[in-house]
Amino acid sequence: GENVEQHPSTLSVQEGDSAVIKCTYSDSASNYFPWYKQELGKRPQLIIDIRSNVGEKKDQRIAVTLNKTAKHFSLHITETQPEDSAVYFCAATLEYGNKLVFGAGTILRVKS
Amino acid sequence: NAGVTQTPKFRILKIGQSMTLQCTQDMNHNYMYWYRQDPGMGLKLIYYSVGAGITDKGEVPNGYNVSRSTTEDFPLRLELAAPSQTSVYFCASSYWGANEKLFFGSGTQLSVL
Repeated sequence: GENVEQHPSTLSVQEGDSAVIKCTYSDSASNYFPWYKQELGKRPQLIIDIRSNVGEKKDQRIAVTLNKTAKHFSLHITETQPEDSAVYFCAATLEYGNKLVFGAGTILRVKS
Repeated sequence: NAGVTQTPKFRILKIGQSMTLQCTQDMNHNYMYWYRQDPGMGLKLIYYSVGAGITDKGEVPNGYNVSRSTTEDFPLRLELAAPSQTSVYFCASSYWGANEKLFFGSGTQLSVL
């Protein structure tokens, strides 16, 4: 079926290290790939997104890469800080952009 | 602007009861979505709407119904509540569709006992 798989489910890093979260998708028509951050008890918030005509996008300490041939995309966080601790969700569009399907999430813990 | 407003914030239902989760947005967005988030899990799409009068099923529509009579409102109806519907429900909206940022409400935490 149409789904988005996300790995790892949990990730612990030392403050200052980098963190990488990977996702794969199944629908070759998907053309928009956002990443959302959800802090405990809060609503998801968009942190970065990438469209299918771009291979990489950066915003300060976060970056996203996309490999359309392999149908996978990744979130990279450099110089992690304790406030980066949260659950991160990848997502991909389906049905010509009408629907957004999420991965299962990655719990990121940044140890100080 | 209030953005996306959901009510109630918390609710406890008994098995078999019914209720409506309210969602309203004041951004004149065309698209609205209902997601559920089970503990420790990702967001699953229940229903979505591309405009007033138009709704469609998402990944997990069974046990739910929606309507979209106005641009602003997108209520989610639970009929015959079951323990499996215990979850946090998020409403979201966007102007052009899922190919852009979704604005989420603060969520409704529902327990069915």
